[in-house]
Amino acid sequence: GAVVSQHPSRVICKSGTSVKIECRSLDFQATTMFWYRQFPKKSLMLMATSNEGSKATYEQGVEKDKFLINHASLTLSTLTVTSAHPEDSSFYICSARKPGLENNEQFFGPGTRLTVL
Amino acid sequence: DAKTTQPNSMESNEEEPVHLPCNHSTISGTDYIHWYRQLPSQGPEYVIHGLTSNVNNRMASLAIAEDRKSSTLILHRATLRDAAVYYCILRLPGNTPLVFGKGTRLSVIA
Repeated sequence: GAVVSQHPSRVICKSGTSVKIECRSLDFQATTMFWYRQFPKKSLMLMATSNEGSKATYEQGVEKDKFLINHASLTLSTLTVTSAHPEDSSFYICSARKPGLENNEQFFGPGTRLTVL
Repeated sequence: DAKTTQPNSMESNEEEPVHLPCNHSTISGTDYIHWYRQLPSQGPEYVIHGLTSNVNNRMASLAIAEDRKSSTLILHRATLRDAAVYYCILRLPGNTPLVFGKGTRLSVIA
């Protein structure tokens, strides 16, 4: 199946710093990627839809100035958590669909665990 | 996306079949039923999907009720590696994202 990678897999930062997470589709081009956040023992929560060459679409309650999304190419989307605080500590997961698949499968990255001290 | 209801948790013995239920009484005619699972500390992975007919693949089977208001994911022989959270999700075709509910946490006992 298609592969989606994320980097880094784990990051620890101090409060107030910004953290960038990369999401890459390794063997297909994705005009759209999705970003999710997951707190411990909770389900995935959709944060935003990242569109190549245009602005991201954010879900209600997600601050676009806090979570900056850039989708500069057909294989790369980045999520930047600006001025991170301990409450931003979470598991961030990106996802994309490979065009042309009959089952419309959504492929997920392995996730990035962010810990803000 | 229409809402789904799943048990919070289930338990199975290794090498036994597992039936994971999902209720979706408000499903619309064009909603597909998708199942994904998430192993610990990993991103979710696709398991199976269907519209009206029962479906089989190498991972599992999906049994869909005739009125489509419920479905059951069947793992024919549970292994320890099947311990995960299983999500039943309804979605329209196209490029809309998956919206996850709470899922069922499956424990497999050796």
